[in-house]
Amino acid sequence: KAGVTQTPRYLIKTRGQQVTLSCSPISGHRSVSWYQQTPGQGLQFLFEYFSETQRNKGNFPGRFSGRQFSNSRSEMNVSTLELGDSALYLCASSLAGSGPDEQYFGPGTRLTVT
Amino acid sequence: GESVGLHLPTLSVQEGDNSIINCAYSNSASDYFIWYKQESGKGPQFIIDIRSNMDKRQGQRVTVLLNKTVKHLSLQIAATQPGDSAVYFCAENGSNDYKLSFGAGTTVTVRA
Repeated sequence: KAGVTQTPRYLIKTRGQQVTLSCSPISGHRSVSWYQQTPGQGLQFLFEYFSETQRNKGNFPGRFSGRQFSNSRSEMNVSTLELGDSALYLCASSLAGSGPDEQYFGPGTRLTVT
Repeated sequence: GESVGLHLPTLSVQEGDNSIINCAYSNSASDYFIWYKQESGKGPQFIIDIRSNMDKRQGQRVTVLLNKTVKHLSLQIAATQPGDSAVYFCAENGSNDYKLSFGAGTTVTVRA
């Protein structure tokens, strides 16, 4: 079974631009979560989607948004990029009908904002 | 506040020895815990999980111990190998909040 895939793997953007990252979950997984990983803040939860609905959101500004499609694939968007948005963005998928269960991570998208 | 953290940022261990990585959490409502391993350039890899109704769970060469009284979680790796060198994270999940809260991570270095 294929794992979680994320595209692109690397991205360089300039301040003020916007970016869209994509995540394809493991087949059969309906929950997709996004995390931001930086050396200073570690792994921080962005949001979680299940059946195209956002069920939880972390403490990030409104510039960070996401969505999930009917095939469970998910995208996240960051508008008006800031230097501090440079990070590894990780997507994780799980079966997660109700209650917590194993989350499997993709390799991440390394975003650099210059 | 609600947080999950690791006691030590780094751990150096001799190849073949057992490793113990510790984690403290503060959210008494947490009912699910996971250990992840992250190698350079990769996403976190699931190692083992444990639910709050258990105090011990074993996998292949790994054991997770949960002490709810003192809110402490540990990961034991038996016969540590060079391939075990990585950053290890503990994560916790409260009931029905659909998110993981991660600790800061422990970098494990295996000496040959």
